[in-house]
Amino acid sequence: GQNIDQPTEMTATEGAIVQINCTYQTSGFNGLFWYQQHAGEAPTFLSYNVLDGLEEKGRFSSFLSRSKGYSYLLLKELQMKDSASYLCAPKTWDTDKLIFGTGTRLQVFP
Amino acid sequence: KAGVTQTPRYLIKTRGQQVTLSCSPISGHRSVSWYQQTPGQGLQFLFEYFSETQRNKGNFPGRFSGRQFSNSRSEMNVSTLELGDSALYLCASSLAWGSQGKDSPLHFGNGTRLTVT
Repeated sequence: GQNIDQPTEMTATEGAIVQINCTYQTSGFNGLFWYQQHAGEAPTFLSYNVLDGLEEKGRFSSFLSRSKGYSYLLLKELQMKDSASYLCAPKTWDTDKLIFGTGTRLQVFP
Repeated sequence: KAGVTQTPRYLIKTRGQQVTLSCSPISGHRSVSWYQQTPGQGLQFLFEYFSETQRNKGNFPGRFSGRQFSNSRSEMNVSTLELGDSALYLCASSLAWGSQGKDSPLHFGNGTRLTVT
């Protein structure tokens, strides 16, 4: 089976940096996605990691450690519009489908 | 390029009824996946279709079924509705089967919010 663990809620201040962690246990790991979902809207693709290391994309970066079953999403220079849920989704070779964690709800305060 | 379109946006049904939800993928996308989203369970995978064939199935009862047409449009059907089926049903399309990396992520529609009373 698969197990994904993310904090349920986080809060941060505008302009700050926040790190959202995700640990997972899957068989046949084949990459990990991060999605952002604003309340009442569709999830949108943020990043994808398949090799160990950091992938940077503007204010957002995502890190992966395959041996530790661990990923994080780093958000810099936080803006109010970053208030959303962030979903971690590892993928496996055997089923080739995305399994989503329950998500981390981030609230950014002025 | 138009995004993923789901209809209807909202639906209210009573227990025991059946419902059909529709999804039109992004033009050129041949894979369509369906997810159920509830506050407590998050996004739960229902099934994935590619080229009119079901490629993957989640752990949902047989009351949940789907199909994909030759134009890649997909429908999801839930029969004998239960109160616990109240949820947001999200459809997502991608270029390739199984969401193959950053070049083929899932693109989600805005969902159909189903309320069962």
